[in-house]
Amino acid sequence: DTGVSQDPRHKITKRGQNVTFRCDPISEHNRLYWYRQTLGQGPEFLTYFQNEAQLEKSRLLSDRFSAERPKGSFSTLEIQRTEQGDSAMYLCASSFPPAGAYEQYFGPGTRLTVT
Amino acid sequence: GQQLNQSPQSMFIQEGEDVSMNCTSSSIFNTWLWYKQDPGEGPVLLIALYKAGELTSNGRLTAQFGITRKDSFLNISASIPSDVGIYFCAGVSGGSNYKLTFGKGTLLTVNP
Repeated sequence: DTGVSQDPRHKITKRGQNVTFRCDPISEHNRLYWYRQTLGQGPEFLTYFQNEAQLEKSRLLSDRFSAERPKGSFSTLEIQRTEQGDSAMYLCASSFPPAGAYEQYFGPGTRLTVT
Repeated sequence: GQQLNQSPQSMFIQEGEDVSMNCTSSSIFNTWLWYKQDPGEGPVLLIALYKAGELTSNGRLTAQFGITRKDSFLNISASIPSDVGIYFCAGVSGGSNYKLTFGKGTLLTVNP
């Protein structure tokens, strides 16, 4: 069990560019979550997958954001036409219900800076 | 939307002291979790609580699920320098598809 991994760990981009982040959950974890965390705040829910199905999206997830989990394993989060307000830590978590259904294990995050 | 209020916002203590922090909400939660986050890293799960009144320990950490289901408490005994970090409470409400609602965190500093 290698834990949740995220790539890249840091991304600096210019406003208007597109960026894509990857998350590899703990193997056999069928639920995968994306959160966003800004300075001084706790993580905020963005979206969640059960296997390959995206089952819920937060209102925080504007039309510029899209997430996929095509084979029910890794997931990608894409932000199009980035804005300075998108600067944040993007966290991925996974869980395996019913055992430990609510226990989400987080990756190290991707720190996005939009200049 | 749902909000969790954590207090205190920050604590500065001496090594060896005990620490208490809490989390309150105006809404009922079915599950409470406590995480610790180091700078530049993701949150690490410390304790999960599933029943009102439940008291659970993990080493020097003890957490309780409040009877009203609207609060939770975390205690750290005999603090050590590596306890430094931000402690977050998170709650799961019924019908939420397991998504976590986080508080704003308690920043703990331990003076050796």
